[in-house]
Amino acid sequence: SQQGEEDPQALSIQEGENATMNCSYKTSINNLQWYRQNSGRGLVHLILIRSNEREKHSGRLRVTLDTSKKSSSLLITASRAADTASYFCATADYAGGTSYGKLTFGQGTILTVHP
Amino acid sequence: DAGVTQSPTHLIKTRGQHVTLRCSPISGHKSVSWYQQVLGQGPQFIFQYYEKEERGRGNFPDRFSARQFPNYSSELNVNALLLGDSALYLCASSSWTGGPTGELFFGEGSRLTVL
Repeated sequence: SQQGEEDPQALSIQEGENATMNCSYKTSINNLQWYRQNSGRGLVHLILIRSNEREKHSGRLRVTLDTSKKSSSLLITASRAADTASYFCATADYAGGTSYGKLTFGQGTILTVHP
Repeated sequence: DAGVTQSPTHLIKTRGQHVTLRCSPISGHKSVSWYQQVLGQGPQFIFQYYEKEERGRGNFPDRFSARQFPNYSSELNVNALLLGDSALYLCASSSWTGGPTGELFFGEGSRLTVL
């Protein structure tokens, strides 16, 4: 089953604009990660934010996490045509004393950046 | 260093057949996970193997099985294929040794079409 709901499902912007994608999840988490996927190929890790962090930056990426609202956002600043891809949030769920290497992915946001 | 490699990249099978997908993790990674991604959706967790033992299993029928070899490579087997098994099968490796999952490194996937 899918953990998260991502919003919007699709986003179309012009080069140079900022892109914001949102993710909501349902369970308690240890961390939340964002991945990028180009045209149905493999996923590439972008950034990880832990449950005790509220904001994290990496280059043009800014991620926020609000555990009280069970939501996260990914901001890509000064977008480029090469940023065109699908973006997925994924949670490493807290499972009490049991933990294993599973991520639960959202449905994804398709981002199109027009030159 | 080579990334995660998967084979075959594409394959076509008919209903009722069996398929074996293969994955070689990044050197030094002992954890391998398998995900199924149906078109238009996010990846869904199938299995995780660590040190040749199954450490997690998603909500998939017994037709799905996997194993990990002493060199940490892995195979995913699917028996009695159904049309609904058509998907991109993704393998991911990580440096996970326990606790919540960190960054996953994905291969390019094996695209299975069942006719």
